[in-house]
Amino acid sequence: KAGVTQTPRYLIKTRGQQVTLSCSPISGHRSVSWYQQTPGQGLQFLFEYFSETQRNKGNFPGRFSGRQFSNSRSEMNVSTLELGDSALYLCASSPVGDTQYFGPGTRLTVL
Amino acid sequence: AQSVTQLDSHVSVSEGTPVLLRCNYSSSYSPSLFWYVQHPNKGLQLLLKYTSAATLVKGINGFEAEFKKSETSFHLTKPSAHMSDAAEYFCVVSSSGGYNKLIFGAGTRLAVHP
Repeated sequence: KAGVTQTPRYLIKTRGQQVTLSCSPISGHRSVSWYQQTPGQGLQFLFEYFSETQRNKGNFPGRFSGRQFSNSRSEMNVSTLELGDSALYLCASSPVGDTQYFGPGTRLTVL
Repeated sequence: AQSVTQLDSHVSVSEGTPVLLRCNYSSSYSPSLFWYVQHPNKGLQLLLKYTSAATLVKGINGFEAEFKKSETSFHLTKPSAHMSDAAEYFCVVSSSGGYNKLIFGAGTRLAVHP
């Protein structure tokens, strides 16, 4: 099976812009989770989607949002970008009630 | 609330010597615990997971971890380090009984010297 894919792999944006990141889960996996990784804060949970519904949400401002489509693909959006949003954004998929498998991540740089 | 503490931010070993990466957890219920590895500029790869079936868990690439409830520990070991083991390792606990919100430790960077 193909692994989790994330696009794009690298992004450069400027403050105030918005960005959309995409994640395609492993075939058959219905849960998609998103994490932010920064040198200062480490790996932090953003949110999780299952069957197009957000099931869990981490402690991030409302500028961070996401959605899941009927084919389980997911997107996350960050509006009004700040310098502190520069990070590696990781997507993970899992079958119901099982381990999470991570994609390679999208490296976002905000200038 | 669940939490994970990785006791060493950096560990350095010589190739062929044993590896020990230490992790303590805090959980109000019987946890699911994981070790993930991250090589430079890569995503996270699952090494192993504990889900109460056995206290000694074997993973990929010769790694294993032992769950000790009395010590609230889940240390990762490998008998003989290889140069390719150099990476960052994360101890992870699942949140609130579910698998889909993971809480990560701060990570341990493993260096392997010839």
